[in-house]
Amino acid sequence: KNEVEQSPQNLTAQEGEFITINCSYSVGISALHWLQQHPGGGIVSLFMLSSGKKKHGRLIATINIQEKHSSLHITASHPRDSAVYICAVRVQSRDGNQFYFGTGTSLTVIP
Amino acid sequence: EPEVTQTPSHQVTQMGQEVILRCVPISNHLYFYWYRQILGQKVEFLVSFYNNEISEKSEIFDDQFSVERPDGSNFTLKIRSTKLEDSAMYFCASSHIIGQGNYGYTFGSGTRLTVV
Repeated sequence: KNEVEQSPQNLTAQEGEFITINCSYSVGISALHWLQQHPGGGIVSLFMLSSGKKKHGRLIATINIQEKHSSLHITASHPRDSAVYICAVRVQSRDGNQFYFGTGTSLTVIP
Repeated sequence: EPEVTQTPSHQVTQMGQEVILRCVPISNHLYFYWYRQILGQKVEFLVSFYNNEISEKSEIFDDQFSVERPDGSNFTLKIRSTKLEDSAMYFCASSHIIGQGNYGYTFGSGTRLTVV
């Protein structure tokens, strides 16, 4: 059972295109993270959100708590955006907080 | 920009041996985490640490694993008797306050552990 589902699994876009990556989750969460994993393996935290919308540069993240859904948007995509984008949720349980990760969306932006 | 530093970047060890993975979190951060990623699989949460004790841990974090903050700057993950299935990339992360800012966490670049 996957607590976090991402779509699409793989995405190829032309430079300049607007990109959307989706994340759905099946559990009650206290926060949702969007992470970027570079080809070398390093992970960068892009956003943490629990409601509404956040923006940083060309990246926008939104979350709809009622629908248990979040989206990551990249405007004016660039080849350097090529990476795996991972959605992760923080869930409060009787054992404390747990983190569950999606399998990631592999994005390739072609010049 | 402050970084989370992990050493070594790659460690090869024999099955049954003990390994210690080291992390230096950002100096004013209060929360520390270990995650792992088996090759080709998704990232998995192992443990979080706050105020010198474990605050949460996953099912993966069994008695073979332990964490320590021995000197106020390092944050270590010890695997007592490594198994082949412990081979993975291990990521350390730290955060100042849960919910702080857009970013939340700063990750280290990872230690690739290979158990042979």
